[in-house]
Amino acid sequence: GQSLEQPSEVTAVEGAIVQINCTYQTSGFYGLSWYQQHDGGAPTFLSYNGLDGLEETGRFSSFLSRSDSYGYLLLQELQMKDSASYFCAVRLLIYNQGGKLIFGQGTELSVKP
Amino acid sequence: DTGVSQDPRHKITKRGQNVTFRCDPISEHNRLYWYRQTLGQGPEFLTYFQNEAQLEKSRLLSDRFSAERPKGSFSTLEIQRTEQGDSAMYLCASSFGLQGSNIQYFGAGTRLSVL
Repeated sequence: GQSLEQPSEVTAVEGAIVQINCTYQTSGFYGLSWYQQHDGGAPTFLSYNGLDGLEETGRFSSFLSRSDSYGYLLLQELQMKDSASYFCAVRLLIYNQGGKLIFGQGTELSVKP
Repeated sequence: DTGVSQDPRHKITKRGQNVTFRCDPISEHNRLYWYRQTLGQGPEFLTYFQNEAQLEKSRLLSDRFSAERPKGSFSTLEIQRTEQGDSAMYLCASSFGLQGSNIQYFGAGTRLSVL
């Protein structure tokens, strides 16, 4: 089967740094993505790791270790608007290069003033 | 707005009725995906189209579910004889590229409530 594990909730204060971990067990792996979803909103792409190492995009960074089946999302200089659910998702290669996503259950991040 | 659009945003129906949802992907995106999301869970993959061809279906997609993408543009997802367990958010996503894209762009979803 396919499974991804991430913490169900994390709380932090404005201006702080928070790390959301994700471990996965999947049959087949192409890359690890991170999505943000505000209540009632669409999941929005944040970051992608196809290879081991760190990817940085503004205040967000993501890390992947394929040998450990582990990744994390790092959010710096937290802002109130970062309060949302964050999902890690394994991209699997399917027929003709389509990349279906297998999502974790999500981490609800609450940013306090 | 040139993002992925879904219609309707909300649908309330009685058990046993049929419902149909529409998804308009970002223009020129050749790949289209349907996912289902229940409260407190991540989205679950349902089905995938490349252009007009439906190339993969999840085991979650029972015989009561059917999806189409005529002419490789918009897509519809139909649920026949709805059950209370079908209540969920149905999300559509699209991406572009011959070798696939690492980014899927999601619509805001259609929330289905089956009474």
